[in-house]
Amino acid sequence: AQKITQTQPGMFVQEKEAVTLDCTYDTSDQSYGLFWYKQPSSGEMIFLIYQGSYDEQNATEGRYSLNFQKARKSANLVISASQLGDSAMYFCAMRGSDYKLSFGAGTTVTVRA
Amino acid sequence: SAVISQKPSRDICQRGTSLTIQCQVDSQVTMMFWYRQQPGQSLTLIATANQGSEATYESGFVIDKFPISRPNLTFSTLTVSNMSPEDSSIYLCSVGTRIFRDTQYFGPGTRLTVL
Repeated sequence: AQKITQTQPGMFVQEKEAVTLDCTYDTSDQSYGLFWYKQPSSGEMIFLIYQGSYDEQNATEGRYSLNFQKARKSANLVISASQLGDSAMYFCAMRGSDYKLSFGAGTTVTVRA
Repeated sequence: SAVISQKPSRDICQRGTSLTIQCQVDSQVTMMFWYRQQPGQSLTLIATANQGSEATYESGFVIDKFPISRPNLTFSTLTVSNMSPEDSSIYLCSVGTRIFRDTQYFGPGTRLTVL
């Protein structure tokens, strides 16, 4: 069974500063993928970034980077230069070989001007 | 990338009725998934909709309550049957295929309120 843990229910960040969202996972699969999604109040799930378990380099997508520490089973998301539009719920998710996603509880990010 | 549309985007229904949600993808995909997000909660997988075979349901979800169709590789429906207020949720379809192995996309969701 796969388990995703996000321990930060909510976070506040000042505009233009960076914020790190924590995510730890547990799985017995050797091959897996880790995802981060953004969910604004509209409810849509916006894909942000992906990290494969065999990827040696940390993934980056624009202002998003994933700090992948395989031995510690963590996949933290870093959002640099926060913008007001970054205020949303953020979910960490894991996908196993069956393509099913398991989600963490989510972290609400509020960006202050 | 895959473009996914869902209909309806939202609905308000009376208890005891049923609602069918449609999911359309702009390209052929191997697997489609249906997720539920109850208010203030995370996403939970309802079932995997596979073309050419019956849907596979997760623990706690049954076919009589959530029948799923998958007539082709670009379309699927989820029906929420005999609804109760506890079914008020956002329902999202998602697609996965080897082509998109580094991503997994979601439709915009259907926001359902049951009175």
